[in-house]
Amino acid sequence: GAVVSQHPSWVICKSGTSVKIECRSLDFQATTMFWYRQFPKQSLMLMATSNEGSKATYEQGVEKDKFLINHASLTLSTLTVTSAHPEDSSFYICSASSPGSSYEQYFGPGTRLTVT
Amino acid sequence: AQSVTQLGSHVSVSEGALVLLRCNYSSSVPPYLFWYVQYPNQGLQLLLKYTSAATLVKGINGFEAEFKKSETSFHLTKPSAHMSDAAEYFCAVSQRRNTGGFKTIFGAGTRLFVKA
Repeated sequence: GAVVSQHPSWVICKSGTSVKIECRSLDFQATTMFWYRQFPKQSLMLMATSNEGSKATYEQGVEKDKFLINHASLTLSTLTVTSAHPEDSSFYICSASSPGSSYEQYFGPGTRLTVT
Repeated sequence: AQSVTQLGSHVSVSEGALVLLRCNYSSSVPPYLFWYVQYPNQGLQLLLKYTSAATLVKGINGFEAEFKKSETSFHLTKPSAHMSDAAEYFCAVSQRRNTGGFKTIFGAGTRLFVKA
């Protein structure tokens, strides 16, 4: 149980284009989803927290107009990187939690974004 | 503010030897503590968690960790390393936000190498 999927697993896009990454909880309802960014050989950095049906909460220093997050249902959250630049290239990981999970998160497999 | 410090970015052990990965945390309230493992190009998998129950926590794959409040530590151990244990390990602390929900802070990670 508690499986989270991400799509695509990797994507290459040209500078200036937008890319959408999907995060789905497959066998549970995720009231909260988190989006992280991970640079090579570094730790995870929380970008934003999204709750179903409400606006995402962005961490300090994360541009909300550049990283658009939508959590339209209890099983789906999307991250759209708008007007991508090479510096946006990174590994993006989502996670999901459900009520009463004692702060436990279930992580997706990650999406490798390369902007050329 | 909460924080997590993992001592040693790299740890190398021989197969069959003891694994010890160190983690110290700071938290103003009783913490929820986690150890996650990450294999290359994958998301994070929960090894174990501490949620204010027993101080010695047993996890998957033979790992365990002991919560020591006086030392603000949550070190991860395994009696006998296996080649398949080679991976990146992250210690994390979660805490409730004043605005609701919770936030997780990850340590910088420790890469474990296992020598044959």
